Amino acid sequence: LAKTTQPISMDSYEGQEVNITCSHNNIATNDYITWYQQFPSQGPRFIIQGYKTKVTNEVASLFIPADRKSSTLSLPRVSLSDTAVYYCLVGDNYGQNFVFGPGTRLSVLP
Amino acid sequence: EAGVTQFPSHSVIEKGQTVTLRCDPISGHDNLYWYRRVMGKEIKFLLHFVKESKQDESGMPNNRFLAERTGGTYSTLKVQPAELEDSGVYFCASSQDIRQINSPLHFGNGTRLTVT
Repeated sequence: LAKTTQPISMDSYEGQEVNITCSHNNIATNDYITWYQQFPSQGPRFIIQGYKTKVTNEVASLFIPADRKSSTLSLPRVSLSDTAVYYCLVGDNYGQNFVFGPGTRLSVLP
Repeated sequence: EAGVTQFPSHSVIEKGQTVTLRCDPISGHDNLYWYRRVMGKEIKFLLHFVKESKQDESGMPNNRFLAERTGGTYSTLKVQPAELEDSGVYFCASSQDIRQINSPLHFGNGTRLTVT
């Protein structure tokens, strides 16, 4: 099971772009990279998933270099409501293979 | 589309009692998972259903935990008898087709279980 390493916490200000990098050196060929967001008293919420290069949706972008040993979640123009814990997960979509770490606690300041 | 719903949202029981947690997955999702986060620890996998069949229950902590998914729709997780260390938040998640990209897990908001 691929392990991930990401910063424990980050601070940002409203309107800034936030980039959270995740390391996954032992990612396997069949593994996807998936990011979740979690607010207090809620379950993790899917943000974005990718396999290689760049993926963009309405809320975020995911950058994956060619070697796939890391990935960067980019949140454009964050707001106070983006304060949450962000989890980087690596694996196939078999949920039993997801290994949740402590995530990155993002604090957006006014 | 309704999301994954869990009931109850909170439960407080005494040690030795029985508690049953319920999860209603998103309609049409064959895959259903249970996870839990005990105090101060990370979210851990408990088990996986494909329709009504248990695909993987390697994460179940012991035989005091029993999960069912009758008819392949909703699922229940029973803890009997509950112990203090069972306190935590129990999450349910469902997904549609694990073979496809962008068929991720959708989580419920969890049941916070407190055993006193």
